[in-house]
Amino acid sequence: DAGITQSPRHKVTETGTPVTLRCHQTENHRYMYWYRQDPGHGLRLIHYSYGVKDTDKGEVSDGYSVSRSKTEDFLLTLESATSSQTSVYFCAISDWTVPQETQYFGPGTRLLVL
Amino acid sequence: KNEVEQSPQNLTAQEGEFITINCSYSVGISALHWLQQHPGGGIVSLFMLSSGKKKHGRLIATINIQEKHSSLHITASHPRDSAVYICAVGEKSSGDKLTFGTGTRLAVRP
Repeated sequence: DAGITQSPRHKVTETGTPVTLRCHQTENHRYMYWYRQDPGHGLRLIHYSYGVKDTDKGEVSDGYSVSRSKTEDFLLTLESATSSQTSVYFCAISDWTVPQETQYFGPGTRLLVL
Repeated sequence: KNEVEQSPQNLTAQEGEFITINCSYSVGISALHWLQQHPGGGIVSLFMLSSGKKKHGRLIATINIQEKHSSLHITASHPRDSAVYICAVGEKSSGDKLTFGTGTRLAVRP
């Protein structure tokens, strides 16, 4: 299994509070991604990173920010959590040494915003 | 943006049956991925293919680039195959991003 961990694994928070989710990898992969998974939707890309300090928006980036100061860590921040951000969040990594390389997923973080 | 559709959305089978899950997409791709999401939530990659067919154990994935269609087959299904199977596609124009289908929920009864 690819070495990817997410923390916390579960979180309950209140509307309006800031929340930071952490993704940590031990594979030294260049690319890291944050997705959210909601019923009736496929996994949707929030933000991704293609290197340290290099990030870009995905299709559902509003209300989220990211940072990547080290290869191994990719942080997702909800500046002011809303109930619509209740979801399961997955981090993924890939190496892209070949085009469209396989992505490896973390275990997920369940976030409930009350 | 690529539209990825999977069918069926839900599938129940008896142990031992041959299972087929379909994935169609709207725009030409550079690669298609099949993923499995276990009941506990973990997601693992099963296949990545850009042409032809791949086989791993009882799982077979095929792709028809001209028809923009892929199938995932499970032979001699087993209750442990019960999971959500997700199709995802990558386009050359999107670089390193994937578009995901909504998944097919498979239940295999003993």
